[in-house]
Amino acid sequence: AQKVTQAQTEISVVEKEDVTLDCVYETRDTTYYLFWYKQPPSGELVFLIRRNSFDEQNEISGRYSWNFQKSTSSFNFTITASQVVDSAVYFCALSEGPRAGNNRKLIWGLGTSLAVNP
Amino acid sequence: GAGVSQSPSNKVTEKGKDVELRCDPISGHTALYWYRQRLGQGLEFLIYFQGNSAPDKSGLPSDRFSAERTGESVSTLTIQRTQQEDSAVYLCASSLRGGPRTDTQYFGPGTRLTVL
Repeated sequence: AQKVTQAQTEISVVEKEDVTLDCVYETRDTTYYLFWYKQPPSGELVFLIRRNSFDEQNEISGRYSWNFQKSTSSFNFTITASQVVDSAVYFCALSEGPRAGNNRKLIWGLGTSLAVNP
Repeated sequence: GAGVSQSPSNKVTEKGKDVELRCDPISGHTALYWYRQRLGQGLEFLIYFQGNSAPDKSGLPSDRFSAERTGESVSTLTIQRTQQEDSAVYLCASSLRGGPRTDTQYFGPGTRLTVL
């Protein structure tokens, strides 16, 4: 069955620290997609990144970077030099490929609440 | 262009009443999803619309829940005879296409439903 596990419920760091949010997934499909979304206190989900299962290249976007490792079924997210504005709940999600049929619904982890303190 | 919009932003209702939630997807997006987020939880899939195809209702928790979509535009989620356990944030998302493509889903701000 498909499943996304974010083992870290809450993380608290001091501004400028680096922080890594873990995401482990389970799927029977060989084609799938992984996502990270940010949910700030305002509540709106903000898309951060989408990665397909055939692309294991790590990605960096400013202070954000993602490490995708199929061998360990992990898609971890690192924020470098964290800032107070990074405080939010971060969700990892999985969407399966052909096995899902036409419905590419997202299967979500429970989220990691990140607090960045000044 | 405009993002996904939802209305109302907040809804407080009494147990047993019916409620209707609205979603306006991004213009041109053919796929539309409804999810529910209970307090402190991840999101649960409810229903999926793709163009004029029959919707995938596999995530609806009971027959009190129903949803409609007119073509590729507005969708409404209706909850009949609301119960306290229906209290949650209801989120709508749209993507340019549904399967076989897996396009990014963009989310609206949600409707916070409180059932007293």
